[in-house]
Amino acid sequence: GAGVSQSPRYKVAKRGQDVALRCDPISGHVSLFWYQQALGQGPEFLTYFQNEAQLDKSGLPSDRFFAERPEGSVSTLKIQRTQQEDSAVYLCASRSGAGTDTQYFGPGTRLTVL
Amino acid sequence: TQLLEQSPQFLSIQEGENLTVYCNSSSVFSSLQWYRQEPGEGPVLLVTVVTGGEVKKLKRLTFQFGDARKDSSLHITAAQPGDTGLYLCAGHNAGNNRKLIWGLGTSLAVNP
Repeated sequence: GAGVSQSPRYKVAKRGQDVALRCDPISGHVSLFWYQQALGQGPEFLTYFQNEAQLDKSGLPSDRFFAERPEGSVSTLKIQRTQQEDSAVYLCASRSGAGTDTQYFGPGTRLTVL
Repeated sequence: TQLLEQSPQFLSIQEGENLTVYCNSSSVFSSLQWYRQEPGEGPVLLVTVVTGGEVKKLKRLTFQFGDARKDSSLHITAAQPGDTGLYLCAGHNAGNNRKLIWGLGTSLAVNP
């Protein structure tokens, strides 16, 4: 596709379950970002990949959060033992290079933890 | 953590009115971006400003970057219902192009 895609679009999990969120960036984009966005607020940075290397994971809220991008393309954000405070929209963005050019966002995955 | 403060947080106006949204920080940013986000979608970039004092226009939207590159404003003239959405500012600190610092957003509702 032409843009960033994310799946699933909606995920409902029971507290304690593990979830995996997928991001398909724009083909050829070097940089990939994950963000967490609470309702009505701005995104908060979680982690950043340049190709397959995870260069910054300072925004991951706990060790229950794990992200990977093994082949430098598709990325997965995994949340283990989900808690209610993990409920949010998880946004993925990709960027063609490693500079400050435009980030293109996917539609997000809305995670609800019951 | 360096923050971007946006104001107002919520704004409800009538069609045809003008409005200004502000984005302020105590820190200097090498560039600052404005995004618009609609429900169920990711943010979409409207503009990037990089030079202190820079003014950019996008149809009825005017963006300004402060001289000291610590603040920015978005002015909408003759707002229309289609302008409704969440407006977000985000900036890169000098020397760190890995992540954007985001404001909390301004939720704009334009009523017909």
